[in-house]
Amino acid sequence: DAGITQSPRYKITETGRQVTLMCHQTWSHSYMFWYRQDLGHGLRLIYYSAAADITDKGEVPDGYVVSRSKTENFPLTLESATRSQTSVYFCASTDLRGRADTQYFGPGTRLTVL
Amino acid sequence: EDQVTQSPEALRLQEGESSSLNCSYTVSGLRGLFWYRQDPGKGPEFLFTLYSAGEEKEKERLKATLTKKESFLHITAPKPEDSATYLCAVQGLGAGRRALTFGSGTRLQVQP
Repeated sequence: DAGITQSPRYKITETGRQVTLMCHQTWSHSYMFWYRQDLGHGLRLIYYSAAADITDKGEVPDGYVVSRSKTENFPLTLESATRSQTSVYFCASTDLRGRADTQYFGPGTRLTVL
Repeated sequence: EDQVTQSPEALRLQEGESSSLNCSYTVSGLRGLFWYRQDPGKGPEFLFTLYSAGEEKEKERLKATLTKKESFLHITAPKPEDSATYLCAVQGLGAGRRALTFGSGTRLQVQP
């Protein structure tokens, strides 16, 4: 049971370059999320997707683009990376079971923008 | 807007020394309050979901409780392997996008 996988786990890039972070889940969960984690800010929502071809902005969407052509994949693209986007990025998904939506997280991608 | 505040930011305990972590929250109707554990270099790992005031859940040395404004994560006789960052999150009834609002976490270190 692979769950959620993210790739790459570590990435170093330069300012202005395009970077794509991949997220793949094997549970067929409908909702998927991208968060970034920075010291002092906790986890902040970047974008989310309710289903294939349905995406929407979260709290900090500027500078990011997402797509979801298949239920299991939810890539996050930084179109022109900036130093302020240096962070750890987590993908998550939820199955919408129960009274509240427990989210399950991937292992994260540590991105450094030089 | 949903808000979550965790305290203390960091906590150092001796092995066997019990303590509690605090999570204060404001939300317009609580759908659920979540506790996660996060080890360095890894993603958050789900521990508990609490739904209503008065509810309690236990797992090994951890016990989570919930009031209308706070949740506590009680750690009884901790061991070094309990060292991690503990994250609290809430989901409000108005969370149409199904997202969680997280606190900044409490870094727990348990010394042998």
